[in-house]
Amino acid sequence: EADIYQTPRYLVIGTGKKITLECSQTMGHDKMYWYQQDPGMELHLIHYSYGVNSTEKGDLSSESTVSRIRTEHFPLTLESARPSHTSQYLCASRPGATNEKLFFGSGTQLSVL
Amino acid sequence: AQTVTQSQPEMSVQEAETVTLSCTYDTSENNYYLFWYKQPPSRQMILVIRQEAYKQQNATENRFSVNFQKAAKSFSLKISDSQLGDTAMYFCALRGAYNAGNMLTFGGGTRLMVKP
Repeated sequence: EADIYQTPRYLVIGTGKKITLECSQTMGHDKMYWYQQDPGMELHLIHYSYGVNSTEKGDLSSESTVSRIRTEHFPLTLESARPSHTSQYLCASRPGATNEKLFFGSGTQLSVL
Repeated sequence: AQTVTQSQPEMSVQEAETVTLSCTYDTSENNYYLFWYKQPPSRQMILVIRQEAYKQQNATENRFSVNFQKAAKSFSLKISDSQLGDTAMYFCALRGAYNAGNMLTFGGGTRLMVKP
């Protein structure tokens, strides 16, 4: 149902590498979100965007950064990955209307060795 | 600030029986929206049901229904005639109508196991 895509699905990298997690949606949604899911399965908001050129940090402090140059694209970047960044990252989007549901991507499982 | 609490980390139910997952929340807003999401082993997040706080009638979607108690700030999910495919993590979530970014706040999740 959801037209929101995350790549890669799985990523294993070494410490110190720069990585970018991709998230794209084809629904024209203004609002996009990145959630981090810890091993205990709790979801924490780390970044969100209202639209092009708008990005804000979420509730959970994160060393990652995001950009929103195009409506459909909301990549997340880690300049220097560490083992503490090992987690599941979920991207989501929704229209501007308040009661519209959140569409989630399939997630990226990141493992930093 | 808004919070969502799921007090049951794990639950199990026999196939075809009924199970209720608990969720309580706190928000200072009068208008807000509540959701239950399901995350199966595939890790995809799927919307199960949603409730608008200003509606008194409890939402129902096929085998899924909620018991929304606004005064008690409670939003439980009832799954009737449980099926093996219902095995998943279930997240309760809240979105205020007026907070900045209309961000979704999730509870910690309840792992549901449906046993054959």
